[in-house]
Amino acid sequence: NAGVMQNPRHLVRRRGQEARLRCSPMKGHSHVYWYRQLPEEGLKFMVYLQKENIIDESGMPKERFSAEFPKEGPSILRIQQVVRGDSAAYFCASSPSFKNTEAFFGQGTRLTVV
Amino acid sequence: DQQVKQNSPSLSVQEGRISILNCDYTNSMFDYFLWYKKYPAEGPTFLISISSIKDKNEDGRFTVFLNKSAKHLSLHIVPSQPGDSAVYFCAASGGGGADGLTFGKGTHLIIQP
Repeated sequence: NAGVMQNPRHLVRRRGQEARLRCSPMKGHSHVYWYRQLPEEGLKFMVYLQKENIIDESGMPKERFSAEFPKEGPSILRIQQVVRGDSAAYFCASSPSFKNTEAFFGQGTRLTVV
Repeated sequence: DQQVKQNSPSLSVQEGRISILNCDYTNSMFDYFLWYKKYPAEGPTFLISISSIKDKNEDGRFTVFLNKSAKHLSLHIVPSQPGDSAVYFCAASGGGGADGLTFGKGTHLIIQP
């Protein structure tokens, strides 16, 4: 049973470009959480999705950020018109239920904006 | 407004001794607490957890203590081993806010040989 898979592991984008981060949950998991870790900080919750639904996006910046979890395929975190401040590690976690305490984390995508 | 605080950015402990990592929280609605271990360039891995209705949970070398009145929890590792060197994050669930976990900033534990 493969773990939570995130790709790419490293992503470099120039200011103004778009970044797409992918997360394939563990088999049988239909709940996905995205977190962001800025340098020297803890992980900050961004968004919680179930298949085809955004349940809680209270941690998402209001502009440029969006997330989806389609019926088929991975969950996608999309950042439009990236800025230097978006440079961070983005972690996805998947859970078999609504309980965030049962979630397993992926290895993360490190986004660098140059 | 940091609801989960880990006030020690780093901690150095000799191999074989006890490591004690501390965590304070401000939101009395948190009902579950977790500790994660994280190596560089990897994701957090779950270590141990405790419900707010308990004051202690033990799993092998790891014990978590919860003091609800003080809004404080601690992770004890005994004996400490070189492989324990990592960043440890305290996290809380519930709180009446977002559906995700609330994390502290982490403590970098260094085990000295």
